[in-house]
Amino acid sequence: QKEVEQNSGPLSVPEGAIASLNCTYSDRGSQSFFWYRQYSGKSPELIMFIYSNGDKEDGRFTAQLNKASQYVSLLIRDSQPSDSATYLCAVIGGGADGLTFGKGTHLIIQP
Amino acid sequence: EAQVTQNPRYLITVTGKKLTVTCSQNMNHEYMSWYRQDPGLGLRQIYYSMNVEVTDKGDVPEGYKVSRKEKRNFPLILESPSPNQTSLYFCASSLSAGGYGYTFGSGTRLTVV
Repeated sequence: QKEVEQNSGPLSVPEGAIASLNCTYSDRGSQSFFWYRQYSGKSPELIMFIYSNGDKEDGRFTAQLNKASQYVSLLIRDSQPSDSATYLCAVIGGGADGLTFGKGTHLIIQP
Repeated sequence: EAQVTQNPRYLITVTGKKLTVTCSQNMNHEYMSWYRQDPGLGLRQIYYSMNVEVTDKGDVPEGYKVSRKEKRNFPLILESPSPNQTSLYFCASSLSAGGYGYTFGSGTRLTVV
């Protein structure tokens, strides 16, 4: 069974600082990696995806992938109070069963 | 607007009374999936469908049924709901199973008493 592990938090970060969210996964065959943001009671919203080792930047967000260490991270620069949410890491392997999610990290940006 | 539409948004029902949660997408996506989300357990996949008439079990399929008679629709059926099926349910769709992010519906909060 594929597993995706995240620290549940809460992770508290001052406004304007960098928030660093981490995720590890068990299936070495995993091919695609996603970060979703979820506000309480709302549906998950895709914010980043990454397929290759290294960094991928999109605005204030940077996703980092290290397949050898089976590790994915998300950096949020210049954190804003509106970034306060639960961040879900998700991976897709080679099969048809789709996304496997971690339990999420609760991020709090302190004004 | 490209979207996944779930209905109803909220539902309170009694144990044993059959119910259906509908899911429809307008993006011509081949892949659709149902998840339930519970505190401390995260999002867990119930069933998924690769295409019309092709469905398979996810991690927690017990007590649920699905069908995929049309590409756009993927209803979730609870034939005899029990209180342990009280949860927040999400339908999601994607171009294919792998390599693409999913678009999620707004969710259905189900309470079984």
